[in-house]
Amino acid sequence: LAKTTQPISMDSYEGQEVNITCSHNNIATNDYITWYQQFPSQGPRFIIQGYKTKVTNEVASLFIPADRKSSTLSLPRVSLSDTAVYYCLVGEGGKSTFGDGTTLTVKP
Amino acid sequence: DGGITQSPKYLFRKEGQNVTLSCEQNLNHDAMYWYRQDPGQGLRLIYYSQIVNDFQKGDIAEGYSVSREKKESFPLTVTSAQKNPTAFYLCASSPGGRSLYEQYFGPGTRLTVT
Repeated sequence: LAKTTQPISMDSYEGQEVNITCSHNNIATNDYITWYQQFPSQGPRFIIQGYKTKVTNEVASLFIPADRKSSTLSLPRVSLSDTAVYYCLVGEGGKSTFGDGTTLTVKP
Repeated sequence: DGGITQSPKYLFRKEGQNVTLSCEQNLNHDAMYWYRQDPGQGLRLIYYSQIVNDFQKGDIAEGYSVSREKKESFPLTVTSAQKNPTAFYLCASSPGGRSLYEQYFGPGTRLTVT
């Protein structure tokens, strides 16, 4: 069972790039790494997913080193509306766990 | 619109009563999940189902029960055996049960038991 470890909280300012790292030492060969964003009193929302190297979409980039034991979510030029909890998820279906996530606070 | 619906948004019950939370999806997804979230904490898996008429316990199944009689529906019953039922409950679905597939979440039901 791939357990994930993330920093509890991070602060940033508007316009800065934010990098959130997740450790997953026990990741299995078939596991993908998925990141979600959650606002208070809402369900989590998919941000990005990857298996290895780098993945980029319109909102974020995901960097995964060759050993896949960690991953880094990169949010370019954050705004106040990016204040939320960010979770990385590793594992298959019901065998995956969300962990406690990283609370990102963006300040003006 | 395709998506996941959970009802009601807020639910209040007296201690000792069973209560059933609804979760419906029209995404034609095979897998469905129930999570519990307590204030300031992450999501914990209660039950999941990868196919109709089959489901498995998650990390905190005690005091809960589910059924999966239809592909689009996965109701959760919080029984009187659940010692601390007050929480935010989230339902999700995905095309399959593998980590390749992202999970789509409903808006959640906030249950308060007094």
